[in-house]
Amino acid sequence: DAGVIQSPRHEVTEMGQEVTLRCKPISGHDYLFWYRQTMMRGLELLIYFNNNVPIDDSGMPEDRFSAKMPNASFSTLKIQPSEPRDSAVYFCASSRRQVLTGNTIYFGEGSWLTVV
Amino acid sequence: SQQGEEDPQALSIQEGENATMNCSYKTSINNLQWYRQNSGRGLVHLILIRSNEREKHSGRLRVTLDTSKKSSSLLITASRAADTASYFCATDGVTGNQFYFGTGTSLTVIP
Repeated sequence: DAGVIQSPRHEVTEMGQEVTLRCKPISGHDYLFWYRQTMMRGLELLIYFNNNVPIDDSGMPEDRFSAKMPNASFSTLKIQPSEPRDSAVYFCASSRRQVLTGNTIYFGEGSWLTVV
Repeated sequence: SQQGEEDPQALSIQEGENATMNCSYKTSINNLQWYRQNSGRGLVHLILIRSNEREKHSGRLRVTLDTSKKSSSLLITASRAADTASYFCATDGVTGNQFYFGTGTSLTVIP
């Protein structure tokens, strides 16, 4: 398997622009997570899906952030409008429910976002 | 916040020495996991310990868990320069499905 695939790897955008980050989870995984990593706040869980349904979006910082998972193999995280404080690395991760052994999360390589 | 905290924030050791990192968390857990992150890369799973386990080994890694103190430790024995990375603990939420990461320990192993 190719692992969790994220795009773009790097994006530089101007304040006010819309940003769309994309993720393809590992085939067969029924959980998908979006995390944001910054030096100040570390790794924050933004939202997670189970079987394409958003379960907990309490970590989404503002209404400017939205996430969708239209099918089992694709998810997007959108920021509109973007602000400089949104600059961070955004990670997508997926896992498969393992009742006996516990879930292991597999991370993508991240999308490095810079808003100027 | 349900995030845990790793201690120390940064650790620098000589190759061949042992490295110990600690993690404290806030809520009850089902499992605790340790992950590694190389600079500029995503996180990679290292080891999982269940709440009813006290110690677990995997190669040069040894993890302990004390649920009464809500703490865990990761020991890397005979460290190598290639072990240089950030290490994070992750705890699962009430449902066991979401995962909260600590602030990480940055380990530098000097050749």
